[in-house]
Amino acid sequence: DAKTTQPPSMDCAEGRAANLPCNHSTISGNEYVYWYRQIHSQGPQYIIHGLKNNETNEMASLIITEDRKSSTLILPHATLRDTAVYYCIVRLDTGGFKTIFGAGTRLFVKA
Amino acid sequence: GAVVSQHPSRVICKSGTSVKIECRSLDFQATTMFWYRQFPKQSLMLMATSNEGSKATYEQGVEKDKFLINHASLTLSTLTVTSAHPEDSSFYICSAREGRGGYNEQFFGPGTRLTVL
Repeated sequence: DAKTTQPPSMDCAEGRAANLPCNHSTISGNEYVYWYRQIHSQGPQYIIHGLKNNETNEMASLIITEDRKSSTLILPHATLRDTAVYYCIVRLDTGGFKTIFGAGTRLFVKA
Repeated sequence: GAVVSQHPSRVICKSGTSVKIECRSLDFQATTMFWYRQFPKQSLMLMATSNEGSKATYEQGVEKDKFLINHASLTLSTLTVTSAHPEDSSFYICSAREGRGGYNEQFFGPGTRLTVL
């Protein structure tokens, strides 16, 4: 079973920041938080991941709360091409891990 | 990032026939490959995990005799849907992991859309 809870859908205006929340209250100490997105009829695309500290890359920022029970993915300047389903996943980073997808959040970026 | 390809990208077949889908890691050696299935407006469902040279491990409820998985080399895994029926129509996505060292990212293919008539 997926270990995360996300809102089913969100809207965002083009050019504004999109903040996608994720609850993972049962995360264990050695599990990472990963974010992927899936644009319609394509395979999932890796966005970012983190363990404890906030992370930033060219696509997004990941803010993880101090107790690690929730996180927020931030797309700083959303574009129409960011319309997709965003999946928050918790999993190990070594060994025989499996990536289990929950329902995700369907983000609509509107002009 | 690393590239995973799938072939074909879409296939239409008659009920009762078998269909083979190939998954290749193009610029890395994948010790582990995963197969997912996705129905319209649903999330990805993990079907099976395969390690190079060994039998695949299927998730609960997935028929191993219907969905044959072969991971014969470090760059190729195949999924064969045997005696396909309309209810097998779905989007099939493979994923590959290098699995060496401390960082094990998982890369996804573009998917194969199967339509069984």
